[in-house]
Amino acid sequence: KQEVTQIPAALSVPEGENLVLNCSFTDSAIYNLQWFRQDPGKGLTSLLLIQSSQREQTSGRLNASLDKSSGRSTLYIAASQPGDSATYLCAVSLIKAAGNKLTFGGGTRVLVKP
Amino acid sequence: EAGVTQFPSHSVIEKGQTVTLRCDPISGHDNLYWYRRVMGKEIKFLLHFVKESKQDESGMPNNRFLAERTGGTYSTLKVQPAELEDSGVYFCASSQEYLAGGPHSYNEQFFGPGTRLTVL
Repeated sequence: KQEVTQIPAALSVPEGENLVLNCSFTDSAIYNLQWFRQDPGKGLTSLLLIQSSQREQTSGRLNASLDKSSGRSTLYIAASQPGDSATYLCAVSLIKAAGNKLTFGGGTRVLVKP
Repeated sequence: EAGVTQFPSHSVIEKGQTVTLRCDPISGHDNLYWYRRVMGKEIKFLLHFVKESKQDESGMPNNRFLAERTGGTYSTLKVQPAELEDSGVYFCASSQEYLAGGPHSYNEQFFGPGTRLTVL
């Protein structure tokens, strides 16, 4: 059974500092890994999706890496801003035949202080 | 392009009543998923439709939950009768198979804003 863990559960940094969010999963037979952002009372916004064959994906100030063999992904957010304050979730899907259902971690709650 | 929409945004009902949640996926998305988060827990998968067919309903908690997707468009999730432990946020997501040259990554899932269900 796939388990996804995110550490730390909460993180507070001053504005401008780089953010490093960690995600680990127990079953390396993943199909893809997706990072989401959730603002209070809102839905999930997809940030990045990494296919199992990829090592990283980048979008603006965001960079996500994937090390499938060690069961880890890291989301880097450069030069953090107060608007980056939110909960960040990672989720993995197993092989395509399993329908791509996602298994989520508990999330990391980020606060960027001005 | 309109995103995934869900209705209602909030629902408060009493134990034993029936509630129906609705999800409208992104137009053209064949895959539709239901997830939920109960208080203090991770978001958990409930079921997956491909068009109008149930592909995987392994996450449905019990037979008080019934999901439908008539015509392969919108989906409904009915809880009958509702129990206290059904309280939580119900999310719907949709995805489209990768098309060569298309804008979307393979099976990237797009989520709706969720329905917050409170059972008293």
